[in-house]
Amino acid sequence: GQQLNQSPQSMFIQEGEDVSMNCTSSSIFNTWLWYKQDPGEGPVLLIALYKAGELTSNGRLTAQFGITRKDSFLNISASIPSDVGIYFCAGPNAGGTSYGKLTFGQGTILTVHP
Amino acid sequence: NAGVMQNPRHLVRRRGQEARLRCSPMKGHSHVYWYRQLPEEGLKFMVYLQKENIIDESGMPKERFSAEFPKEGPSILRIQQVVRGDSAAYFCASSPQGASTNEQFFGPGTRLTVL
Repeated sequence: GQQLNQSPQSMFIQEGEDVSMNCTSSSIFNTWLWYKQDPGEGPVLLIALYKAGELTSNGRLTAQFGITRKDSFLNISASIPSDVGIYFCAGPNAGGTSYGKLTFGQGTILTVHP
Repeated sequence: NAGVMQNPRHLVRRRGQEARLRCSPMKGHSHVYWYRQLPEEGLKFMVYLQKENIIDESGMPKERFSAEFPKEGPSILRIQQVVRGDSAAYFCASSPQGASTNEQFFGPGTRLTVL
């Protein structure tokens, strides 16, 4: 089955620092989704990407859809304590040609020290 | 505008009992998805339903697990004769009918503990 590999697995940063994480796949994706999950809660959609090369921002968050369509990056600028959580990349199965199930990466755990 | 609702939030069952997890999609959404998350792992797809139809159940174990999304009422994920390995967080997501995107919106989850 399809697999998404996220890196790094965890990050420990100081408040105010910028953060970068990425997600790679062995197969092409037509859609990349980035979610954040707080402890004890469900994932919340942060950014959706639909075109290769697309760069999309949502406040302090910026995500890019890689040109090869096999990777995506998420950047968080000027981190704050409430950025703490687990960040997941996700994409639709079968390279994005069918709607339905999402494949998730294993997540990047972000810790922000005040 | 209420989001995806799931209940109960926490469920404790003894081995051999049945677990019923409920999901009400966002208003106007007719597609429902169930995912399972083990501790420190990502979410794994289980089943995709539309009203009264199972579209894709490729991620659901063949035995003891079933799902439905009736014409009226919430979607139900049912686990019969639970075992300790069923302990996990179960998330429901929904998307609008005829969605041209793959965006799915998640509920808060049900955390199942099997004793």
